[in-house]
Order: sequence, then C-alpha cells, then structure tokens
Amino acid sequence: GAVVSQHPSRVICKSGTSVKIECRSLDFQATTMFWYRQFPKKSLMLMATSNEGSKATYEQGVEKDKFLINHASLTLSTLTVTSAHPEDSSFYICSATLLAGVSTDTQYFGPGTRLTVL
Amino acid sequence: GDSVTQMEGPVTLSEEAFLTINCTYTATGYPSLFWYVQYPGEGLQLLLKATKADDKGSNKGFEATYRKETTSFHLEKGSVQVSDSAVYFCALYTGRRALTFGSGTRLQVQP
Repeated sequence: GAVVSQHPSRVICKSGTSVKIECRSLDFQATTMFWYRQFPKKSLMLMATSNEGSKATYEQGVEKDKFLINHASLTLSTLTVTSAHPEDSSFYICSATLLAGVSTDTQYFGPGTRLTVL
Repeated sequence: GDSVTQMEGPVTLSEEAFLTINCTYTATGYPSLFWYVQYPGEGLQLLLKATKADDKGSNKGFEATYRKETTSFHLEKGSVQVSDSAVYFCALYTGRRALTFGSGTRLQVQP
C-alpha cells in the first residue's frame, strides 16, 4: 500500500516551453502533497505544500508564477513549470501524506521526474 | 529553525563492513525522526523511523536509536552489502511543515 506515482519519469523540453508533472496517490487519499526539488548531490528542497481544493503554500524563494501547482483531488496534484529554462533542469519529487489519523507524519514519495531543459 | 546535519560522503566500505552514518538535529519540541534511502534512479523510500526518545527504528538490518540527550539519530548496519549502495537521508518532522532533510550521505559498498 501507500504508493505514489509520478508522470512522466523523464522529460526533455526546449527552453521557453511549459512542462506538466503529475503526482498521484494510487491506493490512498492524500490530505497533503508536497513538491520537492533535488539538485545534484544535494538534499531535497521543499518547493511548496499543496492541500486538496486550496492554493498551494510556496516556500520562500520559489516563484509561484513559474511553478504552478494544482491539487484538484485527494489523489492528484500537478506541478507545471512554465516557460522553462536550463536552470530549471532538476529532479522533481512529490510526496503525499495519508489522511489524518493514519501516520500523518509519514510521507510517501514518488519516484521523481527528471526534467532537462535544452 | 529546524535542521538536520549529516556526515558528508561518500562513505566507501567493503562488503560485510560495519556502517555508521551520523545524523544530528535541531528542532523545537519533539520531532519524529526518519531515515530514507534513495537507490540509483529511484525515488526516496522510507527505511526506518522513530517517534519518541529512546525508540529504535529498524529495517533490513539497519537500525537507528532516537537519542534526545545528544539530539542524534545515527544509522547503523552490522554488515553492509553491495546492494546497500545508495544515498541515505536523515529527516525530521515536527508537524508544522513538511519533512526537513539532511544533505544526504552517499554509501558505496565494494565487493
């Protein structure tokens, strides 16, 4: 149980285009989903926290107009990198927490999406 | 603010050697502590966790004990295998926001 999927796993795009990454909780309902970015040889940096049906909360320094997050249901959140540039190339990872009352302090991670912007 | 400090890697060991990866934390309150493992090309997987002082988390031969007095959660394994080669992340959760991660420690186990 507690499986989180991401799609696509890998994407290459041209500079200036937009890319959408999906994060799904496959066998549970997630109260909250998190989006992280991982730079090479660095730790995960939290980008934003998203709750179903409400606006995402972005971390300081993360451009909300560039990284659009939509959390339309309890099983799906999307991250859209708008007008991507080479410096946006990174490994993007989502995670999801179970509903309140069931191990809310344990997050389940997706396998990540490798974005390369040419 | 909350923070996690891990020993820098990479850590290179021979198969069957003893492993210790140090992790210390700073947090207000009483956080839950976690170790995550990231195998090459994969996402993070929860390895073990401990939710209160003196708890010991264990899984797949790995273990870590929540030491409140030293604010530490060191990861240990008695005999590593080549398949344990991965990046290990220590993390904490206080309930206020998402997990706070350390910078990760790469482990390379040689045959």
